[in-house]
Amino acid sequence: DVVMTQSPLSLPVTLGQPASISCRSSQSLVHSDGNTYLSWVQQRPGQSPRRLFYRVSDRDSGVPDRFSGSGSGTDFTLRISRVEAEDVAIYYCMQATHWPYTFGQGTRLDIK
Amino acid sequence: QVQLVESGGALVKPGGSLRLSCAVSGFTFSDHHMSWIRQGPGKGLEWVAYITSDRKTTYYADSMKGRFTVSRDNTKNSLYLQMNSLTTEDTAVYYCVRGTWGGNWGQGTLVTVSS
Repeated sequence: DVVMTQSPLSLPVTLGQPASISCRSSQSLVHSDGNTYLSWVQQRPGQSPRRLFYRVSDRDSGVPDRFSGSGSGTDFTLRISRVEAEDVAIYYCMQATHWPYTFGQGTRLDIK
Repeated sequence: QVQLVESGGALVKPGGSLRLSCAVSGFTFSDHHMSWIRQGPGKGLEWVAYITSDRKTTYYADSMKGRFTVSRDNTKNSLYLQMNSLTTEDTAVYYCVRGTWGGNWGQGTLVTVSS
């Protein structure tokens, strides 16, 4: 199975400051069709998960543009340019290139 | 708007069975692959299974293979998960998810396996 490794696992951030979460996969996530099926999912406290990005950097509707997704191959990053209170959540990366699809362990972002 | 509503979660004894359902609206169900993803108490997310839009192909995580069966009824806009031989390790919130890239998620239904 593809192992997804996130860092850090805990991320205290001051309001208005940037934040960055790294996600590394144990093998390339480039599919035979040429796409890279790496998604980022946000789970706020007490809520269901919600996808933020798919195919690395394709933004879902309603996702603020202070969020960005980037990366290629085995290294990916989720960035928040200026953290707001509503961004407190656990963030997961997820690969859907190789079955079984797998998630990272999650990164808990909270306000310092 | 897109809605996915899971139901069927319950307290069940080890070795028991349960059938989860997911009723969807707000999109053309028959056009989309569908997935089940679960989250154990205080744990991360784990893929359970997915089924293609035409019902022809299904995939299961190894620990569910042979015990769980995913199905769908495109005439009823509904997704199902039949779970047999349940163990305490299957205790989780089960989410119905549109697509295979982690698209829209339901609110989840809690399955508790305990004696």
